[in-house]
Amino acid sequence: EVQLVESGGGLVQPGRSLRLSCAASGFTFDDYAMHWVRQAPGKGLEWVSGISWNSGSIGYADSVKGRFTISRDNAKNSLYLQMNSLRAEDTALYYCAKDDLWGQGTLVTVSS
Amino acid sequence: EIVLTQSPGTLSLSPGERATLSCRASQSVSSSYLAWYQQKPGQAPRLLIYGASSRATGIPDRFSGSGSGTDFTLTISRLEPEDFAVYYCQQYGSSPRWTFGQGTKVEIK
Repeated sequence: EVQLVESGGGLVQPGRSLRLSCAASGFTFDDYAMHWVRQAPGKGLEWVSGISWNSGSIGYADSVKGRFTISRDNAKNSLYLQMNSLRAEDTALYYCAKDDLWGQGTLVTVSS
Repeated sequence: EIVLTQSPGTLSLSPGERATLSCRASQSVSSSYLAWYQQKPGQAPRLLIYGASSRATGIPDRFSGSGSGTDFTLTISRLEPEDFAVYYCQQYGSSPRWTFGQGTKVEIK
C-alpha cells in the first residue's frame, strides 16, 4: 500500500527536544523530495522543511531554522525531523508529505 | 520568498453553484509550479491540481485550474456536497521549498 506513516509526536516541555519519523511504503522513496508540513490547531498549512532525494538540497522555514533538522535514510525508506529548543508556537499536527501523498500526521504539543 | 494570498477568505455557496477561488503570488511563479489542495476536517490535504492546470489522479473534472505568472484560479464548476472544505494554493519548484496560501473556506450557504 502506498502510504506515509508519521510517529514520534507527543507532549513535551518548552526547550526540550523531539524527533519525528515518517515511514514510507509502496513507492520508490529515493525518487522523491520529501517535506514536513505542520498545522496548528484551527490554522492553515505551514511548510516546515524539505529535503531532496539525495539530501543534497535542504530548506527550512524561517520559523524553525537553526532549531529543526531534517534528514532521510533512503535504505530505510524513512524521513526524520529533529526538533530542538521547542516552543509553545511549535504545537501543531506535523505531516510528512510528498506532493500527491500525505500522512495522517503526528501531534506535537509543547507545554509545561 | 514568494508570498501567496488567497481570496476570498470564505466563500458561501449552495450545492450546484460555481466556485471561483483566487491565488495571487507576490512574484512570478516559475513554470507554473502552482498546486491546489483540498482539506476536509480531520483529514490530510489532498492534491487536486498541479502545474496550475493539471488534475491529479482521480480528481473529478468539475475541478479545474488556470492562470500563470502571479494570478491563479481554482474553479469548481458545480459544487457537490463533498466539495465543501478548505482549499489551499501552494507554490513549489526544483528546490525543496514550498509555500502555502492562507486558505479559502468553501461553506454551505
